Amino acid sequence: AQTVTQSQPEMSVQEAETVTLSCTYDTSESDYYLFWYKQPPSRQMILVIRQEAYKQQNATENRFSVNFQKAAKSFSLKISDSQLGDAAMYFCAIIQGAQKLVFGQGTRLTINP
Amino acid sequence: NAGVMQNPRHLVRRRGQEARLRCSPMKGHSHVYWYRQLPEEGLKFMVYLQKENIIDESGMPKERFSAEFPKEGPSILRIQQVVRGDSAAYFCASSPLGRGFDQPQHFGDGTRLSIL
Repeated sequence: AQTVTQSQPEMSVQEAETVTLSCTYDTSESDYYLFWYKQPPSRQMILVIRQEAYKQQNATENRFSVNFQKAAKSFSLKISDSQLGDAAMYFCAIIQGAQKLVFGQGTRLTINP
Repeated sequence: NAGVMQNPRHLVRRRGQEARLRCSPMKGHSHVYWYRQLPEEGLKFMVYLQKENIIDESGMPKERFSAEFPKEGPSILRIQQVVRGDSAAYFCASSPLGRGFDQPQHFGDGTRLSIL
């Protein structure tokens, strides 16, 4: 069975600074995708970034980037130049052939002005 | 360009009543997934459907819960004889036809179910 672990229930960062959210996972498959979703107070689930396991290059989307360490089964999210609108719950998730997303417990990110 | 539409946004039921949650996938999407989010937790997979077929219901409780995705109309998640523990946010997601594995799932805004 796949599992996803987010060991940081809460994180905070000063506006304009950089923050890294941790995620580790476990899977027996070699082919899978990893995702970070953002859930603001409005409760929407917004896809932030995704990484294909067979690609060694780390995915980047504007201020968001990942550090994907396949051997260590680690998938951290780095947010650069943090903005007030980045405040939300962040969920790490994995999907493989079963086509169901498995989510971590989430990290609540607070941005301090 | 409508996204995944869920309704109602909020649903209040008394214990023992039935709850019906509706989900219309994005245009062109034929895979639908239902997830449940308990307070302060991540989303948990419930069921995966394609048109007229349940593909994977391994996350759905065996009793009182059922799901369908008919040829015409929205997908329905039905909870019979609701109990307090059913109070949660229920999210629907959809992905396109084909190898859904590498297609990101697009989520609706969820239905918050409250049981009195």
